[in-house]
Amino acid sequence: TQLLEQSPQFLSIQEGENLTVYCNSSSVFSSLQWYRQEPGEGPVLLVTVVTGGEVKKLKRLTFQFGDARKDSSLHITAAQPGDTGLYLCAGNNAGNMLTFGGGTRLMVKP
Amino acid sequence: SQTIHQWPATLVQPVGSPLSLECTVEGTSNPNLYWYRQAAGRGLQLLFYSVGIGQISSEVPQNLSASRPQDRQFILSSKKLLLSDSGFYLCAWSYLSLDEGEQFFGPGTRLTVL
Repeated sequence: TQLLEQSPQFLSIQEGENLTVYCNSSSVFSSLQWYRQEPGEGPVLLVTVVTGGEVKKLKRLTFQFGDARKDSSLHITAAQPGDTGLYLCAGNNAGNMLTFGGGTRLMVKP
Repeated sequence: SQTIHQWPATLVQPVGSPLSLECTVEGTSNPNLYWYRQAAGRGLQLLFYSVGIGQISSEVPQNLSASRPQDRQFILSSKKLLLSDSGFYLCAWSYLSLDEGEQFFGPGTRLTVL
C-alpha cells in the first residue's frame, strides 16, 4: 500500500510570512499533483510535477518534486489570506488511481 | 471545456433511509469516474472507481454501492444509511488514457445522517 504523509497537518501564520508544506512517501510516483480545497467545495488542481527534481512556479507558489520522485514540497512566499485552505498532495503510479495525503490546513491571518 | 456536476449539494437523511447521489460529466467521452469520501478537513478516501459503463471497482467494503448506467453518469447509492455514512462525498473524473493521472473534482455533496 502506498502512503503519502503530509506535514504539517495544521499551519496558522500571519499575512506576509513564508511557509513550506511537505509530502513524503517511501514509494516512487510517476507524477504528483497538488490541490487546494476551500470549505464546502471540491479540490482544485494547482500543479502536476512529473520529472525528478522538477520545480514549477505558480505566482507565489513554488512546487518541487524530489529527485527520487518519492517526495514533494510546496512553498508559499508572502502568504495572503486568499491562500487559506486545505492543501492536498496526490501521487500517481501510472495507474487509474491517485494516493492522497492527509492534507495540510493553512490559515493566513490578515 | 469539461464540467462535472453533483447533486444534491447537501442532504440530511435519517438512519436506515436509502441514498442516491448523482454525478455527471460534460465535455468529454469515456472518462474514468471516481467516488471519494472526505472526513472534515482531511484527505480523501477512494470508495469506487469506474473505467466504463457497468464497470465498477470497490476500494472499501461498506454500506455503499455505485453504478454507471451511462458513459458520463456515476451514481452512489445505499439501501440503508448508517450514522457513519455522514461526510463530504466527492465525484471526480480523469481522462481514460492517463497522461499524468490528474483528476478533476465536482463541488461535492455534504451528507448528514441523523
